[in-house]
Amino acid sequence: QQPVQSPQAVILREGEDAVINCSSSKALYSVHWYRQKHGEAPVFLMILLKGGEQKGHDKISASFNEKKQQSSLYLTASQLSYSGTYFCGTDHPLTGKLIFGQGTTLQVKP
Amino acid sequence: ETGVTQTPRHLVMGMTNKKSLKCEQHLGHNAMYWYKQSAKKPLELMFVYSLEERVENNSVPSRFSPECPNSSHLFLHLHTLQPEDSALYLCASRPGTRNTGELFFGEGSRLTVL
Repeated sequence: QQPVQSPQAVILREGEDAVINCSSSKALYSVHWYRQKHGEAPVFLMILLKGGEQKGHDKISASFNEKKQQSSLYLTASQLSYSGTYFCGTDHPLTGKLIFGQGTTLQVKP
Repeated sequence: ETGVTQTPRHLVMGMTNKKSLKCEQHLGHNAMYWYKQSAKKPLELMFVYSLEERVENNSVPSRFSPECPNSSHLFLHLHTLQPEDSALYLCASRPGTRNTGELFFGEGSRLTVL
């Protein structure tokens, strides 16, 4: 079952904040976040495991609420380099089946 | 450079052709993946291999045939494709399928079916 991301697209000015949500109808074991720039391969941002943990990566952080079966990615004080498409992925611990959401396109303008 | 190399980067083929996509990883990983990326379905899982055994076939048509001769190489054999199969095909690897480690993606093979 594909996770659902929202919003589908976001346009920001440099320095503004954004939140991207990822939710699943099935139990989540872990959540992956990746960013893909146009014409490039997806690049790993972070993994969150069960336990409601939060992680940070520079000014990008994420939370994982396993009870609500959702994760959120927080982009603080956005930079032009944050532009791209963000994907969340849900991972099955036994099969290794990593299913991605439909993506959220983020555009940061000067 | 992620350590995952895909060839060819671009491929144009007719519907009656037979071609193959190749993926090679130098990371010592045991799990390899094929994803299809198109405008309609951004990152669609096709196949998962763990230690050269296929562990997941995500309802992919038989005109796509994967092959994993060893843990460093993964192929996607293509035959009698349809125009709607035109897409970017991404290979990825990670340490294992029972490992929640990150996926390392290749640059992709852009396929156009005429």
